[in-house]
Amino acid sequence: EVELTQSPATLSVSPGERATLFCRASQSITTNLAWYQQKPGQAPRLLISGASTRATGIPARFSGSGSGTEFTLTISSLQSEDFAVYYCHQYNNWPRTFGGGAKVEIK
Amino acid sequence: QVQLVQSGAEVKKPGASVNVSCKASGYDFTSYAIHWVRQAPGQRLEWMGWINAGYGNTKYSQKFQGRFTITRDTSASTAYMELSSLTSEDTAVYSCARSFLVGAPGNWGQGTLVTVSS
Repeated sequence: EVELTQSPATLSVSPGERATLFCRASQSITTNLAWYQQKPGQAPRLLISGASTRATGIPARFSGSGSGTEFTLTISSLQSEDFAVYYCHQYNNWPRTFGGGAKVEIK
Repeated sequence: QVQLVQSGAEVKKPGASVNVSCKASGYDFTSYAIHWVRQAPGQRLEWMGWINAGYGNTKYSQKFQGRFTITRDTSASTAYMELSSLTSEDTAVYSCARSFLVGAPGNWGQGTLVTVSS
């Protein structure tokens, strides 16, 4: 099973600042990695798939990069609506797995 | 538009089984896959399994193997999950989600709260 380790677990950021989240896979998953945003009481929202391709309707301030075992999600200028929990998800191997999540909170 | 509508909340006793349905609309059901993902209160997302809605073949997390089953009814555009031998640790929101046969789920159901309590 591919383990996904997200860091940091919590990131405190001021609105307008940049946020960078990391996801490390226990083995290579090429670029079969997605990022989700989840707010309390809501379903996850797909932000990025293929490591770097924004899903439909996702603002350009969200960007993803990486391949193999190291991946990054960057939010270039945090808006109030971006404070949430973010999960990475690999779909290269069975079983599919999610990272432990990273909370982006207001500083 | 794509919609996945799940059945309502359930309360079950330890040892019982639970069935949750996921009715799809707005797309060709048999051309996509359905995943089941759960989230215990305050915990991470946990992938449980997947069904190719066209052929009906399945993949499961080994954690649930033997007590978790996914099926589908193509005539009703509906996927189902059944989890048996429930314990309190199975208390969670269970969600279905759609993806291409290979890909990340992009559309999610509203979630179904399953509470296991004596």
